[in-house]
Amino acid sequence: DGGITQSPKYLFRKEGQNVTLSCEQNLNHDAMYWYRQDPGQGLRLIYYSQIVNDFQKGDIAEGYSVSREKKESFPLTVTSAQKNPTAFYLCASSFNPGGRGGANVLTFGAGSRLTVL
Amino acid sequence: QQPVQSPQAVILREGEDAVINCSSSKALYSVHWYRQKHGEAPVFLMILLKGGEQKGHEKISASFNEKKQQSSLYLTASQLSYSGTYFCGTDSTSGSARQLTFGSGTQLTVLP
Repeated sequence: DGGITQSPKYLFRKEGQNVTLSCEQNLNHDAMYWYRQDPGQGLRLIYYSQIVNDFQKGDIAEGYSVSREKKESFPLTVTSAQKNPTAFYLCASSFNPGGRGGANVLTFGAGSRLTVL
Repeated sequence: QQPVQSPQAVILREGEDAVINCSSSKALYSVHWYRQKHGEAPVFLMILLKGGEQKGHEKISASFNEKKQQSSLYLTASQLSYSGTYFCGTDSTSGSARQLTFGSGTQLTVLP
């Protein structure tokens, strides 16, 4: 079955350490996204990528970095510069719904919960 | 800018109806609705396109008033399975790099 795989599901890290969250999709989607979810704040866009080797900052990119070397993969690194990294991180990918236009429909992974100790 | 959802939370009995509203300060190209159950990924429900088109999904329907930059999600004869957090995502971007901005969510609880 096609889908998005995020790993690890739970991650603990000490302050000052970088950590990389994995996101792999086999949906053949061109676009991929990283969102951060905090209680009561909904989903906030960190980075997104429309094509391989290209990505753009979202609303809260500071303290994060990404790469898009393969169509299937879009890893997110949470660096030590991120001041409040404890959150639930969601990766998503999208297809274009048949020429209707508008933002693409998102398929989400199950998420990774990062806790900084 | 984040769209505003209301109410923040609602509790229903099975079989009752509910309306969730989503309002933006920007002109919108489309509105998306997603539902997230506790500990799970958000799941796409429907997309509303510019033009006031109304879409439906089972007993869940939605409307989009582009002039008022508002969308409403209607849950009719709610079922226990409808419990979860509902998010609207608004698209007000131009150009090819379209992206969604999500509201803070509405937590819906359906009781037996």
